[in-house]
Formats: sequence, C-alpha cells, structure tokens
Amino acid sequence: EEQLLESGGGFVQPGGSLRLSCAASGFNFAITAISWVRQAPGKGLECVSGINNNGADTYYADSVKGRFTISRDNSKNTVSLQMNSLRADDTAIYYCARAYVTRFGPFSSWGQGTLVTVSS
Amino acid sequence: EIVLTQSPATLSLSPGERATLSCRASQSVGSYLAWYQHVPGQAPRLLIYDVSNRATGIPARFSGSGSGTDFTLTISSLEPEDFAIYYCQHRSNWPPSFGPGTKVDIK
Repeated sequence: EEQLLESGGGFVQPGGSLRLSCAASGFNFAITAISWVRQAPGKGLECVSGINNNGADTYYADSVKGRFTISRDNSKNTVSLQMNSLRADDTAIYYCARAYVTRFGPFSSWGQGTLVTVSS
Repeated sequence: EIVLTQSPATLSLSPGERATLSCRASQSVGSYLAWYQHVPGQAPRLLIYDVSNRATGIPARFSGSGSGTDFTLTISSLEPEDFAIYYCQHRSNWPPSFGPGTKVDIK
C-alpha cells in the first residue's frame, strides 16, 4: 500500500522557520516526483513546491519562491520542505503528494497533512 | 499561469441524483486534467486523470469528459459518501494549479 506521512508542522511566529518532512513507502520512491500542496483555512488547494525523481529539478510557487526549499533523500525515501521567513498567509495544512504520470501530476497518493500555524 | 475556474461553487442535491460539475481553463490544457474529491479533515483523493481515466478503486459512477479548456465531472447517482468538495487540476506545466472547488452538499 502506498503511504505518505508528513511531520514537522507546528506553531511558529512570523519570520520564523520550520522544516517539514514526508516519509514515503509502498512504491518505487526513486522514480517518483513529489510535490507539497497546501490548503489555507477556508481556501482551496495550492501546489507550492515540487521536486523530480532525482532532485535535479525543483519548482516553487511565486508565493514561496526564495523562502522555501525542497529537497529529497532517495536513500531514506524522504522529501523535505525547509520553510523560512514564514508569514501569516503561510498558515495551512501542508500535504505531500506523489505525482503519478509526470512530475506535475496527477497526484495519486497523498499524506494526511501537517498543520503549520504562523502567528504572533 | 493557467487559471482554472469551477462552476457552480455549490451544488445542493439529494442522494440518488446526478451531479454535473464544470471546470474551465484559461488556456488549453489538452487532456491533462484531473479531478479530486476532498472531505475536510481527510487527504484529497484522485478520482479521474487525463480527462476520463478513473483512478484505481474509483467507482464507475464517476466519469469525466471534455478537452482543451472545458471539462465535466459527472457523478451518475450520488451516494452518501460523495458529499464533499471536488477540485479540478491541470498538469500541463508549473504550477499545476487547482480550481477553487465545487462543494456538493445534501439538499
């Protein structure tokens, strides 16, 4: 069974940092692109960052470019999202998702999400 | 960036009724359009990819159609577990944006 498990969410003040992790199992991780998708309170889904299978190509939404960094460790089947200079509008549930056909989706498996709250 | 719009914002129906949801893209996405079901508090679930392909385990009452810029998700007969929010998403390029969602609620 394919599984993705996020961790690392929490409460942080504006300007602070958090590092999210996504642990994958049940599929060939090394050939799979992974993305982070977030949902702010009362809002829809937003794809904020993606990484291809070997980490050579990374992608960021304009809203997080220069503040977030995505990386992966294929030896540990994990993807990380380093989030710096956090703002109140980064408050959201963050999901990691497996891209099924190409690096941009569709997203066939999702984790349960980890909540990030940015507030003073 | 390709912008997806969905209509209606809310669809109020009874179990057993047919649901028709629309998604329109600001430019052609070819056949690279997917649909997801999201129940708040749960992970989103892929229903349909590449316009009309059902994902693994998805019941036949879910079907998709369309091409280019106009797409439709149809639920032929609503089951109680189908009342949720539905999002369309393209994968033509980065960012693979989502539509704002259609909420299907119980009438």
